[in-house]
Amino acid sequence: AQSVTQPDIHITVSEGASLELRCNYSYGATPYLFWYVQSPGQGLQLLLKYFSGDTLVQGIKGFEAEFKRSQSSFNLRKPAVHWSDAAEYFCAVGAGNSGGYQKVTFGIGTKLQVIP
Amino acid sequence: DVKVTQSSRYLVKRTGEKVFLECVQDMDHENMFWYRQDPGLGLRLIYFSYDVKMKEKGDIPEGYSVSREKKERFSLILESASTNQTSMYLCASSEAGKETQYFGPGTRLLVL
Repeated sequence: AQSVTQPDIHITVSEGASLELRCNYSYGATPYLFWYVQSPGQGLQLLLKYFSGDTLVQGIKGFEAEFKRSQSSFNLRKPAVHWSDAAEYFCAVGAGNSGGYQKVTFGIGTKLQVIP
Repeated sequence: DVKVTQSSRYLVKRTGEKVFLECVQDMDHENMFWYRQDPGLGLRLIYFSYDVKMKEKGDIPEGYSVSREKKERFSLILESASTNQTSMYLCASSEAGKETQYFGPGTRLLVL
């Protein structure tokens, strides 16, 4: 069974500083990997996803993530954080099954605080 | 754009009440999901459905049931609400065989 670890529950960064949110996964085959963002009181919005190919993927809102198979990691990065990036971020790993349903397992989330 | 809507943003119910949470998606997706979200626990899958009238238990189905009579609508039912079911409930949908899930805004349920 797949699993996801987000080791940082809460991160605080200054506006304009760079950001890296960590995600480690466990899965026997090549995983499908996702980052979602949840603004306060809202549902989850897909930031980016990795299925195959280039290990550096670009997403919305200036985010990118890099898949590193050797480290079982899929860390999310942004070069300069904006106050509007304050939210909770969820890493997720997906695995297919024969029924056509792709089971997706979510991490517990990292809450990002941005200070002026 | 995919749109997933949930019938209520906030709901307050009493212990023992029967509670219905409704979810509707407008993109003809085959798969629909119900999660609950709790601080420190992330999202946990309650039930999912891959077709009309089909349902599968997720990781925490106890105390819940679901109904999918139409492709676009997936209902979560709490037969007898309890205080430990106070949570944020998120609905999602996806195309058959596809991994990307699209989420609704969530329903924050308080059971007193």
